[in-house]
Amino acid sequence: GQQVMQIPQYQHVQEGEDFTTYCNSSTTLSNIQWYKQRPGGHPVFLIQLVKSGEVKKQKRLTFQFGEAKKNSSLHITATQTTDVGTYFCAGPWGAGSYQLTFGKGTKLSVIP
Amino acid sequence: DAGITQSPRHKVTETGTPVTLRCHQTENHRYMYWYRQDPGHGLRLIHYSYGVKDTDKGEVSDGYSVSRSKTEDFLLTLESATSSQTSVYFCAIRPDTYNEQFFGPGTRLTVL
Repeated sequence: GQQVMQIPQYQHVQEGEDFTTYCNSSTTLSNIQWYKQRPGGHPVFLIQLVKSGEVKKQKRLTFQFGEAKKNSSLHITATQTTDVGTYFCAGPWGAGSYQLTFGKGTKLSVIP
Repeated sequence: DAGITQSPRHKVTETGTPVTLRCHQTENHRYMYWYRQDPGHGLRLIHYSYGVKDTDKGEVSDGYSVSRSKTEDFLLTLESATSSQTSVYFCAIRPDTYNEQFFGPGTRLTVL
């Protein structure tokens, strides 16, 4: 089945430093989604990328979808303590693409 | 947040007992999902539903069954709970015309 690998598993940064997490799929994806889960909370949808080479920004967050539509990245500029949490990428799979395969996530800790 | 609730929010049970978790939505969405989340494994799909009485297995369905007799309710049953089923269980819903999923608050299940 489809596999979605995400690195790094953990990242500790000083507040104000940048942070990047990478996502790689074993198959070409029709789209890729990113979710954030705060400690003790539930995953929350952040964004979806659809087009090859697409770049989207949400304030300090920049999301990229690779040209081959098999990889993606999330970059946070000047991290803040509010960025703490686990970031997951997810790609659709299965007949009709109703299902999502999630990466294992990158847990971000921000040291104030 | 999307209109999705889970009950109970916390449960402690003993090995061998049956357990049923409920997911309730007020959005009238067709697609509903059950995931489990364990450290080091991320989110793994247990079962999903694409309509009333229409369900299918996910990646880790062994030991679990589901039922959906109404659009708004999706039940997850552990027929005979085992300690390996200790986990946090999330329900999610997906709008018919969009790919993103919206998660419920989760149920923390402990099987002793």
